[in-house]
Amino acid sequence: EIVLTQSPATLSLSPGERATLSCRASQSVTSYLAWYQQKPGQAPRLLIYDASNRATGIPARFSGSGSGTDFTLTISSLEPEDFAVYYCQQRNNWPLTFGGGTRVEIK
Amino acid sequence: EVQLLESGGGLVQPGGSLRLSCAASGFTFSSYAMSWVRQAPGKGLEWVSAISGSGGSTYYADSVKGRFTISRDNSQNTLYLQVNSLRAEDTAVYYCAKSSSSVAHAPFDYWGQGTLVTVSS
Repeated sequence: EIVLTQSPATLSLSPGERATLSCRASQSVTSYLAWYQQKPGQAPRLLIYDASNRATGIPARFSGSGSGTDFTLTISSLEPEDFAVYYCQQRNNWPLTFGGGTRVEIK
Repeated sequence: EVQLLESGGGLVQPGGSLRLSCAASGFTFSSYAMSWVRQAPGKGLEWVSAISGSGGSTYYADSVKGRFTISRDNSQNTLYLQVNSLRAEDTAVYYCAKSSSSVAHAPFDYWGQGTLVTVSS
């Protein structure tokens, strides 16, 4: 099973700041990595798929990069609605696995 | 508009069973793979099971293999998860998730709001 390790666990930032979230895989997932956003009491929402492709309707301030084992989700300038938990997920191997999440909180 | 509506959750005793359903609308159901993903209270996301658009291929997490069965009825646009031999650690919100293509491991582009399964005596 591929283990995804997200860091940091919590990121405390102010609106307007840049957020950089990391996801590291225990073995290569090529580019088959997605990022999801989850707000309290809501279902997750797809942000980025295949490492760097924005999903439909996702603002341009969200970007993804990386390949192999190291991936990054960047939010260029945090909006109030971006404070949430972010999960990475790999689909290169069965079973599909998620990272433990990074909480982006208001500083 | 894509809609996924889960039902069937509830309180069940350890060792018990439930059948979760996910009614889908707004897309050609048989053309897309589907998955179940769960989230224990206060915890992260855990993929549980996936099924191809035709229903001919199924996949399971090791933690549920042999106890859970995924299926679909394409004539009724409904996804199912039969959960047997339930344990306390199966307590979670169970989400139905649509894959973005017919490929079973494609990214999940739509999610339902979830149904809560609580396993307790």
